[in-house]
Amino acid sequence: DVKVTQSSRYLVKRTGEKVFLECVQDMDHENMFWYRQDPGLGLRLIYFSYDVKMKEKGDIPEGYSVSREKKERFSLILESASTNQTSMYLCASSLEGATNEKLFFGSGTQLSVL
Amino acid sequence: GQNIDQPTEMTATEGAIVQINCTYQTSGFNGLFWYQQHAGEAPTFLSYNVLDGLEEKGRFSSFLSRSKGYSYLLLKELQMKDSASYLCAVWSRNGQNFVFGPGTRLSVLP
Repeated sequence: DVKVTQSSRYLVKRTGEKVFLECVQDMDHENMFWYRQDPGLGLRLIYFSYDVKMKEKGDIPEGYSVSREKKERFSLILESASTNQTSMYLCASSLEGATNEKLFFGSGTQLSVL
Repeated sequence: GQNIDQPTEMTATEGAIVQINCTYQTSGFNGLFWYQQHAGEAPTFLSYNVLDGLEEKGRFSSFLSRSKGYSYLLLKELQMKDSASYLCAVWSRNGQNFVFGPGTRLSVLP
């Protein structure tokens, strides 16, 4: 089975801090995604990547950046954390070219910005 | 624009059947997915429809009508462990990503 691992389950940071959320997948998937999940809003796409060193903005990229230096690792960076970035962050990966490109999710990182 | 709509909450009794509806308006369509998410856990894949009709997988079935922009997830013989949120998502090729609905929280009562 595909395993998507997020480095932290819970994280508490202060306003203005730089925050790194790490995600690693072990099945050689080309596609990787970062979502945030908020009650009543569902999952919203922040950034995605279809290849190493490639990144595309999703629906809500403001205040975030990403890095994909290796195929298996996709990092989400909050340059200067703000309280409205308190959320559950979910990383996902999928196989390019599959007939049903289902997503495999990590367990999520619950980030609280104080 | 892109929009997916689902009921926010549903309640059903153990052993019963429940239908969770999903309506969508997206730019481009390349398949509709249902995911299950237990509280505090990652979403997991349940089903995929790309053609009209019913896909059955054990106690779970999913239906799609592309002309109506409509899908439903049918859960039979409900069990307590089915209490979870159910997420409807459309793979939109034009946008090259998944668009998720807000999720339906299902509570199964004894």
